[in-house]
Amino acid sequence: DAGITQSPRHKVTETGTPVTLRCHQTENHRYMYWYRQDPGHGLRLIHYSYGVKDTDKGEVSDGYSVSRSKTEDFLLTLESATSSQTSVYFCAIRDYTTDTQYFGPGTRLTVL
Amino acid sequence: AQSVTQLGSHVSVSEGALVLLRCNYSSSVPPYLFWYVQYPNQGLQLLLKYTSAATLVKGINGFEAEFKKSETSFHLTKPSAHMSDAAEYFCAVTHKNAGNMLTFGGGTRLMVKP
Repeated sequence: DAGITQSPRHKVTETGTPVTLRCHQTENHRYMYWYRQDPGHGLRLIHYSYGVKDTDKGEVSDGYSVSRSKTEDFLLTLESATSSQTSVYFCAIRDYTTDTQYFGPGTRLTVL
Repeated sequence: AQSVTQLGSHVSVSEGALVLLRCNYSSSVPPYLFWYVQYPNQGLQLLLKYTSAATLVKGINGFEAEFKKSETSFHLTKPSAHMSDAAEYFCAVTHKNAGNMLTFGGGTRLMVKP
């Protein structure tokens, strides 16, 4: 399972509050990704990281920021949550040797 | 730019019947193609992938997919459906110099009737 954990697994919050989701990996992979999953859209890339303090935007980055201060942790922050950010969020790592992404278990976020 | 279209958001088959889930891609460069499966309340699990080697790719749980460049397709098949195959399936595309940034299709939910 590529040693990926996400926390929290479930969160309910209110509009306008800040939220931080954490992705933790144990296998020292350089690339990490944050996706959101919504019905009919599959998964869409929010942000990704290609090393410590190296991040870039994905397809749906508005309203989200990320940070990566150490290899094993990739944080996704919603500065001021909105109802449109209600979704399931998945973290992934890239296994460089197989050029394959492996996914964490997901975080279900509800913004009321 | 790259994109993926999965025809049929829901597919229903009887147990023991052929499973065929369709995926068509668009890519201006040679693609890498993936199928992932998602069981309820779980993350995505890799089923199989194509990265420019053999065009017929075998994956886990008896699934296989064939890369057809002329049809820009990568359909997923299984000869005989099992109840445990009920899940959502996602096709995804990337290419060698894309930093492994995946573009996903909208997903197909497979239902298996007894």
